Amino acid sequence: LAKTTQPISMDSYEGQEVNITCSHNNIATNDYITWYQQFPSQGPRFIIQGYKTKVTNEVASLFIPADRKSSTLSLPRVSLSDTAVYYCLVVELTGGGNKLTFGTGTQLKVEL
Amino acid sequence: GAVVSQHPSWVICKSGTSVKIECRSLDFQATTMFWYRQFPKQSLMLMATSNEGSKATYEQGVEKDKFLINHASLTLSTLTVTSAHPEDSSFYICSAWDRVSPKNIQYFGAGTRLSVL
Repeated sequence: LAKTTQPISMDSYEGQEVNITCSHNNIATNDYITWYQQFPSQGPRFIIQGYKTKVTNEVASLFIPADRKSSTLSLPRVSLSDTAVYYCLVVELTGGGNKLTFGTGTQLKVEL
Repeated sequence: GAVVSQHPSWVICKSGTSVKIECRSLDFQATTMFWYRQFPKQSLMLMATSNEGSKATYEQGVEKDKFLINHASLTLSTLTVTSAHPEDSSFYICSAWDRVSPKNIQYFGAGTRLSVL
């Protein structure tokens, strides 16, 4: 499983766009990039998943360059409720049911 | 998204007793479920992989006789912490893999806070 590296913490203000970059230099051909959000004393919540280029859903966008060695989670116009830990994971999709390895995550703090 | 229910959300027990935690996939079948442990301000640590109808696979350093896992149906996995001690106090989280989903997404329960006195 490819190891991921992301900033330990980030600070932002309400209404701003937040971009969290994750490095995964050893990503394999069958690996996808997946992001989860975790609030204190809750289980992680799936945010978005992608393989290459750009993926967008109702809460976030995921940008993946051609070499796939990094990815950027973009949260548009954050609010106080987006304060959480964000985890970037590399997941092998072949076969399914594969275990996830969580790194340290990025603690995002949003202020007024 | 799919829903995973975890029960109880919080439990306090005396040292030496056993505690059972349930993890249910409510709207999908999960042949594979996972159990994690998380200490304060730390990341999730995978404890074991639970496969329906077969023995669980434990990660290195996790005592299988201490943390008993049963996955008797496609929607239920249980984790029993046997003879709990204060050092077992932690936040336990389960996840289930939706095999029908093409994205191979794991959905997580809300977690169980275990406090051993």
